[in-house]
Amino acid sequence: SQQGEEDPQALSIQEGENATMNCSYKTSINNLQWYRQNSGRGLVHLILIRSNEREKHSGRLRVTLDTSKKSSSLLITASRAADTASYFCATDAEGGSQGNLIFGKGTKLSVKP
Amino acid sequence: DAMVIQNPRYQVTQFGKPVTLSCSQTLNHNVMYWYQQKSSQAPKLLFHYYDKDFNNEADTPDNFQSRRPNTSFCFLDIRSPGLGDAAMYLCATSRHRFPYEQYFGPGTRLTVT
Repeated sequence: SQQGEEDPQALSIQEGENATMNCSYKTSINNLQWYRQNSGRGLVHLILIRSNEREKHSGRLRVTLDTSKKSSSLLITASRAADTASYFCATDAEGGSQGNLIFGKGTKLSVKP
Repeated sequence: DAMVIQNPRYQVTQFGKPVTLSCSQTLNHNVMYWYQQKSSQAPKLLFHYYDKDFNNEADTPDNFQSRRPNTSFCFLDIRSPGLGDAAMYLCATSRHRFPYEQYFGPGTRLTVT
């Protein structure tokens, strides 16, 4: 069953603009991760945020987590054409089988030069 | 560079003809995963190995089997591929089970004719 749900499904912006993607999930989690997938390729891990953390930064990436609302957001600042990809959030579920990383459907980001 | 390698990158098989997909890793990670990803959908975990311990997801069809002869290699066997099995198959590794980040291979695109 699907745990994470990204919003929007697709996002198109100009280079230099910021991109914000949201992820909502259904059950309590221990951790949440964001991944990027370039077209026809494997996924690349971007950032992990634990359930006791509220915000995390990595370069141009900023992730927030609101466990009361069961939601997370990924902000990419000063976007570049190379950021064009699909972005997925992935969670475990408290009490779920270990190793079971559940992905959302993803947000397809297009950054136009 | 340490990495996850998948062969072949593209595989065409006939309906009902067994096919094997290969994954190898130089990361010396304990866990190896197989995901199925259909077009514009989330990756779906099929099964994973923690060392030699095999963990099958409850909804993975019996048609899908896996072997891990050693730490470095893991195989996905599809015994009788159907048209619905056409997808991207992603192999991933992690040092331990979730919440550790997963490292993905580039994927094998399977076409069933």
